[in-house]
Amino acid sequence: DADVTQTPRNRITKTGKRIMLECSQTKGHDRMYWYRQDPGLGLRLIYYSFDVKDINKGEISDGYSVSRQAQAKFSLSLESAIPNQTALYFCATSENGIIGTGELFFGEGSRLTVL
Amino acid sequence: GIQVEQSPPDLILQEGANSTLRCNFSDSVNNLQWFHQNPWGQLINLFYIPSGTKQNGRLSATTVATERYSLLYISSSQTTDSGVYFCAVEKLGGNKLVFGAGTILRVKS
Repeated sequence: DADVTQTPRNRITKTGKRIMLECSQTKGHDRMYWYRQDPGLGLRLIYYSFDVKDINKGEISDGYSVSRQAQAKFSLSLESAIPNQTALYFCATSENGIIGTGELFFGEGSRLTVL
Repeated sequence: GIQVEQSPPDLILQEGANSTLRCNFSDSVNNLQWFHQNPWGQLINLFYIPSGTKQNGRLSATTVATERYSLLYISSSQTTDSGVYFCAVEKLGGNKLVFGAGTILRVKS
């Protein structure tokens, strides 16, 4: 089983619908992240969380919200999906590094299409 | 914020050839990682290498932090090496990784 699990792996939805992407991890890491990947671009950070009570916006948080339900669970919500949110979404985890972020580990990705 | 530039953007190799991918960054870092995204979209950790040199099979990486660049070497390339290679860095004193745009590698048999 994967250490970082994302559900659903693929989802097609319509404009205006609410969608939630879920992430769970068995690595015991405190830090969790949501990234978005668009074709031809690198990964961009949406939100990150250093523990259950610490949630921070990344560079592209508009239109998204998150919930850290437990150390092992971090979900991403699109309250009202729009077509330009069509992308590949990745959850990631890391332990606390000696300085800053430790090694980052990714889930398998969730491909979201908004029609 | 910190800037990350990867080169070349695209690379086509014949199977068995060697290659070097480069990652330049604009500030001092306390974290640098290389990832491979396979054709199925999975992101696989290759190296966690804020400084120094590491090797793993046919792959090796070197980061010269004082000169703000990292190199990923692929020797005796195989078709399974195809995909996108990403460099990600974290600015010194920062708390999140910033990704480059990636290098698309195609290895032909």
